[in-house]
Amino acid sequence: KNQVEQSPQSLIILEGKNCTLQCNYTVSPFSNLRWYKQDTGRGPVSLTIMTFSENTKSNGRYTATLDADTKQSSLHITASQLSDSASYICVVSKGTGKLIFGQGTTLQVKP
Amino acid sequence: NAGVTQTPKFQVLKTGQSMTLQCAQDMNHEYMSWYRQDPGMGLRLIHYSVGAGITDQGEVPNGYNVSRSTTEDFPLRLLSAAPSQTSVYFCASRGLGERDTQYFGPGTRLTVL
Repeated sequence: KNQVEQSPQSLIILEGKNCTLQCNYTVSPFSNLRWYKQDTGRGPVSLTIMTFSENTKSNGRYTATLDADTKQSSLHITASQLSDSASYICVVSKGTGKLIFGQGTTLQVKP
Repeated sequence: NAGVTQTPKFQVLKTGQSMTLQCAQDMNHEYMSWYRQDPGMGLRLIHYSVGAGITDQGEVPNGYNVSRSTTEDFPLRLLSAAPSQTSVYFCASRGLGERDTQYFGPGTRLTVL
């Protein structure tokens, strides 16, 4: 079954700290993996897109990694800010245009 | 560029009523889709379209209809609303390339009583 599992479900960190969010997938075939940020009450916004051959992709303080062999990805947030408080969604594309969404990790950054 | 726009932002319906959720994009994207987002679940695909005149079902299509008469517009119709359709609905668009960024609208929060 095509699945995308994210952990932890929720996370609270202090402003300025780093954190890492995890994504494991069993989707096949695999085309690319995407990370989205969704602020409360808004639509998801794309952070990174990685294909099979890409191990790391950065977008400012966000760095995504991909291990296609173990089917794992992580999103690392450096020097967190209050504005990083949001849900982070891992999405895997099957290559047919179909996207499989994870449930998301809710991050709260406290001052 | 307005990106992807959705109307209305909020809607309350009674069971059995019908309505249309509007979606428009000004990026000339061929691919448009509708998702619903429920607490504790990932976004689920309702219907999608790869171009004007072409639509197909997604993961949870029952109770919804779509049409794509122009590249810009992709309305979602609820035929006879049910409480199980209470959700937040997102419209999205992107190009047809596999790496193309998908852009989401701001969402419509629908409550069916």
